[in-house]
Amino acid sequence: AQTVTQSQPEMSVQEAETVTLSCTYDTSESDYYLFWYKQPPSRQMILVIRQEAYKQQNATENRFSVNFQKAAKSFSLKISDSQLGDAAMYFCAYRSLNDYSGNTGKLIFGQGTTLQVKP
Amino acid sequence: DSGVTQTPKHLITATGQRVTLRCSPRSGDLSVYWYQQSLDQGLQFLIQYYNGEERAKGNILERFSAQQFPDLHSELNLSSLELGDSALYFCASSVGSGRAWEPLHFGNGTRLTVT
Repeated sequence: AQTVTQSQPEMSVQEAETVTLSCTYDTSESDYYLFWYKQPPSRQMILVIRQEAYKQQNATENRFSVNFQKAAKSFSLKISDSQLGDAAMYFCAYRSLNDYSGNTGKLIFGQGTTLQVKP
Repeated sequence: DSGVTQTPKHLITATGQRVTLRCSPRSGDLSVYWYQQSLDQGLQFLIQYYNGEERAKGNILERFSAQQFPDLHSELNLSSLELGDSALYFCASSVGSGRAWEPLHFGNGTRLTVT
């Protein structure tokens, strides 16, 4: 079974600075997707960025980028030029590419990291 | 706005009772997923329906059941409620059968409090 671990329950960053959130996962599969979701106080889950495991190039979305280390099973999120609106809980998630079990719809989430942005 | 609508936003009920949570997926989406978010268990996948049929099952209790109707809206039924069922219940939808590359669009959740 796949697992996702976020070892930092809380992080803080100064506005305009850069912060990195850590995520590790465990899987025996070679093909999968990884995601970072943001959950602000409004509680809606918002997709921040996604990475396809077979792509070596790290995904980027504006101020958000990932450092994907497949061999180390690590998937960290870097937020540059942090803004007050980035304050939220961030979840790392795994999704299988293999459909043999019909479970590719299932997202496996980490426990989350609460990010505080200080003005 | 994700386009996924969940009702009600909040629900307070007593132990032993039964409640129904409702979800309308984004227009055009055929799959609906239910997730439970609690403090001790985190975000847990419960069940997925695709075009009216159960597609995948996760950590869903026998006291819980779900269905997807012909108009593609879904309902999650929780019965014999216990204090530990208090959680935020999310619905999400995607356009296809749940392939890994399909983005999931989440609703704002229903906050269930069991007293």
